Amino acid sequence: GQQVMQIPQYQHVQEGEDFTTYCNSSTTLSNIQWYKQRPGGHPVFLIQLVKSGEVKKQKRLTFQFGEAKKNSSLHITATQTTDVGTYFCAGSYNNNDMRFGAGTRLTVKP
Amino acid sequence: DAGVTQSPTHLIKTRGQQVTLRCSPKSGHDTVSWYQQALGQGPQFIFQYYEEEERQRGNFPDRFSGHQFPNYSSELNVNALLLGDSALYLCASSRRGTSYNEQFFGPGTRLTVL
Repeated sequence: GQQVMQIPQYQHVQEGEDFTTYCNSSTTLSNIQWYKQRPGGHPVFLIQLVKSGEVKKQKRLTFQFGEAKKNSSLHITATQTTDVGTYFCAGSYNNNDMRFGAGTRLTVKP
Repeated sequence: DAGVTQSPTHLIKTRGQQVTLRCSPKSGHDTVSWYQQALGQGPQFIFQYYEEEERQRGNFPDRFSGHQFPNYSSELNVNALLLGDSALYLCASSRRGTSYNEQFFGPGTRLTVL
């Protein structure tokens, strides 16, 4: 069935290091969204990517959508302790049915 | 402007019981989606309501049902509770008809089934 795979499951970095999480779908996505969930909190929307090959930046965060619209990545440059949390991708196959990845839990050592 | 609100925040039930969770969407939003999030997992889509009808449904049994009211608020009902239903239940609202389907999540209801 349609599902979104996300890796890695965990990532521990030293403050100042970069971080990347990847999502992959076996079938073409109509769009992909990224969310951040702090420990004990709820998912907070970060961004939506719709176009093939799209790249968007938010300060130290760079989001990419693959040419085939089957994969996506989130890259954080020079991590800070405030980046701690779990990052989820969520892919849509028909703009209404959204499938979340399992998430990448990021911890940052000061 | 209140965001998405959910009630109750926590709930403890026993196997076989029934539960109703409530959600009020963000002002201006007309679409409500429900998700189940088990510990350490990503949210799993249960269903989505728009114009008081279920529009999309994930892979959940009929024990999970819902309702949307004319004011766009929504309820999630779960019958014959199982231990495996213990999870954080999240409600997310959005505005249909826009190309940008940003969802706003509520704080969730933590359900524990004993």
